[in-house]
Amino acid sequence: TQLLEQSPQFLSIQEGENLTVYCNSSSVFSSLQWYRQEPGEGPVLLVTVVTGGEVKKLKRLTFQFGDARKDSSLHITAAQPGDTGLYLCAGDSGGSNYKLTFGKGTLLTVNP
Amino acid sequence: ETGVTQSPTHLIKTRGQQVTLRCSSQSGHNTVSWYQQALGQGPQFIFQYYREEENGRGNFPPRFSGLQFPNYSSELNVNALELDDSALYLCASSSKTGTGNTIYFGEGSWLTVV
Repeated sequence: TQLLEQSPQFLSIQEGENLTVYCNSSSVFSSLQWYRQEPGEGPVLLVTVVTGGEVKKLKRLTFQFGDARKDSSLHITAAQPGDTGLYLCAGDSGGSNYKLTFGKGTLLTVNP
Repeated sequence: ETGVTQSPTHLIKTRGQQVTLRCSSQSGHNTVSWYQQALGQGPQFIFQYYREEENGRGNFPPRFSGLQFPNYSSELNVNALELDDSALYLCASSSKTGTGNTIYFGEGSWLTVV
């Protein structure tokens, strides 16, 4: 069974601070996705990383896929209250269907 | 707005009852997946339907079943409801199956079993 471990589980910071969220596994994934989920809503895709060592930037968010495609990180610069939410990483192990294995998520609160 | 719509948004059922949840996929998407998200957990894969056939199943008992219709909309049926079935049920659609796809989630159906 493939597992994705996310850390930290909870994170509460002040507006303007930087933060990094980690997603680790002992398994190799074909691709890894990061989602943000707000209360009462479904997850919204932020980014997909496919190549080992890949780095993608989305405004103040920087995503990195580990060289061995087993881990990933999400770094947010100068966090804002609008960044508050549950951040989920999800791995795709490949194959004929597109089954995603999700971590438990990191609940981020950015205080004004 | 992802174009994936789910109904109902909230419902309460009694243990032992049956429930049907519905999902309309984004236009042009022929693949629908269902996920269960318990409180404080990440979503867990239930199963996927591709062109009306089941195309992969997670670690869920047979009382979880599904259907996909010719217009690619889908249903999730759960029989003999248990208290632990209380969760957010998410539907996700994509334009094809296989790795590297972008999938779009609906807002989910909150099921409470009492």
